[in-house]
Amino acid sequence: GNSVTQMEGPVTLSEEAFLTINCTYTATGYPSLFWYVQYPGEGLQLLLKATKADDKGSNKGFEATYRKETTSFHLEKGSVQVSDSAVYFCALSPLSSGSARQLTFGSGTQLTVLP
Amino acid sequence: GAGVSQSPRYKVAKRGQDVALRCDPISGHVSLFWYQQALGQGPEFLTYFQNEAQLDKSGLPSDRFFAERPEGSVSTLKIQRTQQEDSAVYLCASSLGLTGEQYFGPGTRLTVT
Repeated sequence: GNSVTQMEGPVTLSEEAFLTINCTYTATGYPSLFWYVQYPGEGLQLLLKATKADDKGSNKGFEATYRKETTSFHLEKGSVQVSDSAVYFCALSPLSSGSARQLTFGSGTQLTVLP
Repeated sequence: GAGVSQSPRYKVAKRGQDVALRCDPISGHVSLFWYQQALGQGPEFLTYFQNEAQLDKSGLPSDRFFAERPEGSVSTLKIQRTQQEDSAVYLCASSLGLTGEQYFGPGTRLTVT
């Protein structure tokens, strides 16, 4: 079956530090890959996505590249801000026509950025 | 426009009680998903609707869990004879089509005592 393994947290960084959160996946075929973010007290929001190998998703200074050869989708940001403090989830959805595209999530990584 | 809304936001139930959790998807969204998120974990898929048809319920953990979407809009997740292990946040998400981005509601936090 499909699965997502995500770097365990929590992660604490100082403002302007470089961020990497590792994510690897197991899936048949070529799934779509996502990063979702959950800010304190809010619902899950899509941060970025990539739908095929070598695609790079980017948003709000965050980037992740779909690497089929290493089955990875690591999240990076060059300079984090206090406002980036949140829980980050890596997720995949299968690529199969006619079926539900339910998401399979990793366990989440809590990021705290200190001023 | 309004996003996905869920009610109640918090629910405390005594073990053995039945509960009903409501999801109002974004208007016009065809697909609706329910997920269960245990403390410190990622959401796990429960069930999926396309309009009023429940096309996949493979994630429902037991026959105590039941979901419906009778008119293809609002959905209700019902849990009968709640158990402590049912304590979790229940998330609803909707998407415009079969493959579109899923928009999540704020969730209902269920605590079974």
